[in-house]
Amino acid sequence: SAVISQKPSRDICQRGTSLTIQCQVDSQVTMMFWYRQQPGQSLTLIATANQGSEATYESGFVIDKFPISRPNLTFSTLTVSNLSPEDSSIYLCSVSPGRRYEQYFGPGTRLTVT
Amino acid sequence: QKEVEQDPGPLSVPEGAIVSLNCTYSNSAFQYFMWYRQYSRKGPELLMYTYSSGNKEDGRFTAQVDKSSKYISLFIRDSQPSDSATYLCAMSVLTGGGNKLTFGTGTQLKVEL
Repeated sequence: SAVISQKPSRDICQRGTSLTIQCQVDSQVTMMFWYRQQPGQSLTLIATANQGSEATYESGFVIDKFPISRPNLTFSTLTVSNLSPEDSSIYLCSVSPGRRYEQYFGPGTRLTVT
Repeated sequence: QKEVEQDPGPLSVPEGAIVSLNCTYSNSAFQYFMWYRQYSRKGPELLMYTYSSGNKEDGRFTAQVDKSSKYISLFIRDSQPSDSATYLCAMSVLTGGGNKLTFGTGTQLKVEL
């Protein structure tokens, strides 16, 4: 498995601002993923972030709204831009170390937009 | 229709009961099947994973996959109050782009003393 930390754990932001979420892993991993978990809904994949290449976004998510950086094999950031109340959610990063079918999650960042 | 369907519950059982949690899915290409446990205000924790059809046992937990019926189950024996959490099923097709998981909405379980 892998130990994953996220910062911040929670935040309250005003409409129109941006929030950058950091994800740190205790070992080098090729693939990192960003998910959104809205109340009463499934975890939804936002994008896949591989080191050294552009992030790959899922349908319904765009780079202008959710820019992602992946500067090395242990770190990634997700920015949620131009915040609206609809962005209030939990954002989670995950990694697939070693065996590619296993995926481990960080503790999540709880975002509230007012 | 969602690709993965899961009864949200809540499901309440007495301590010591056998719990059965289930998911159905529509995408016959799914190859890997996982169960996650999520405590309140925590990230999902990988409990079990299986590849293709069959059973897998780990302590009090048993995962079953029936690909012919597109149905997966997680059984918890001798349930404990510490098992109270939301259980998420997830499944995927492993591609060159990585292991993209498709989740159910989760079943909330409460094990009562």
